[in-house]
Amino acid sequence: DTEVTQTPKHLVMGMTNKKSLKCEQHMGHRAMYWYKQKAKKPPELMFVYSYEKLSINESVPSRFSPECPNSSLLNLHLHALQPEDSALYLCASSRTTGGVGPSYEQYFGPGTRLTVT
Amino acid sequence: AQSVSQHNHHVILSEAASLELGCNYSYGGTVNLFWYVQYPGQHLQLLLKYFSGDPLVKGIKGFEAEFIKSKFSFNLRKPSVQWSDTAEYFCAVTANSGNTPLVFGKGTRLSVIA
Repeated sequence: DTEVTQTPKHLVMGMTNKKSLKCEQHMGHRAMYWYKQKAKKPPELMFVYSYEKLSINESVPSRFSPECPNSSLLNLHLHALQPEDSALYLCASSRTTGGVGPSYEQYFGPGTRLTVT
Repeated sequence: AQSVSQHNHHVILSEAASLELGCNYSYGGTVNLFWYVQYPGQHLQLLLKYFSGDPLVKGIKGFEAEFIKSKFSFNLRKPSVQWSDTAEYFCAVTANSGNTPLVFGKGTRLSVIA
C-alpha cells in the first residue's frame, strides 16, 4: 500500500467555523508533512512531523494547528480562517526526514480543496 | 539552503513535438531529484526520481530526465508529446543531510495543442 489518503476532498467553511483536515498513511512512514498549494503554484511547506513530533513549522499562522496523534495519522485543525487561506492542502509522508536517497521520497495525497467564504 | 530554478514558465508545443524542460538547483552536497506532474484539477504525481547511479532516469508515461552533476541540472525530456501531457510540471530537490525540506521549483506549464 503506497497510498496517502486525505479527507474530506472538498471543504467549504465560513471564517468563524472550526474544521479539521485528516491525512492517513499505512506505509510505516515516520515523517509526515502539510503543504498549501495555490493554483498554478508549487506546494508550500507548512509543517513537518518526524516520529510524531513537530520538527518544522514554516511560520504558519496560529489559525492552522497541526496534530499527529500517531504514526499513521496527521490532522490539520482550522479556525478563524481568512478567504486568502482558500487553497489545495496536501499531505505527504516519507520514510524519515534523514538518511539517504529513498528515505526522502515523499508520497503525496490527493489533497483537500478548501474554500473559505 | 537549496533552491530550484525552472527556466520556462509556459511552454506550448504541438503534438508529436519533442519536449525538454529545464531544471537547475543550487546545493553543493548530495541531492535527491524529482519531477512531479499535476494535471488540471488533479493532485501531484511522481513522474521520476533520481537518488544515485545511472544519471539517465526513466519515468512513467515515456518521460526521462538526465542528471548532470557538473551543471547542477536535471532536465526532463520526452521525445514526442501528446495532448494528454498538458499539465503543470514541478522539479523538486532535497538534500541528503537530515531534516531538509523538499524544495520545489516554480513549475512549468505545458500546453500541447493538436
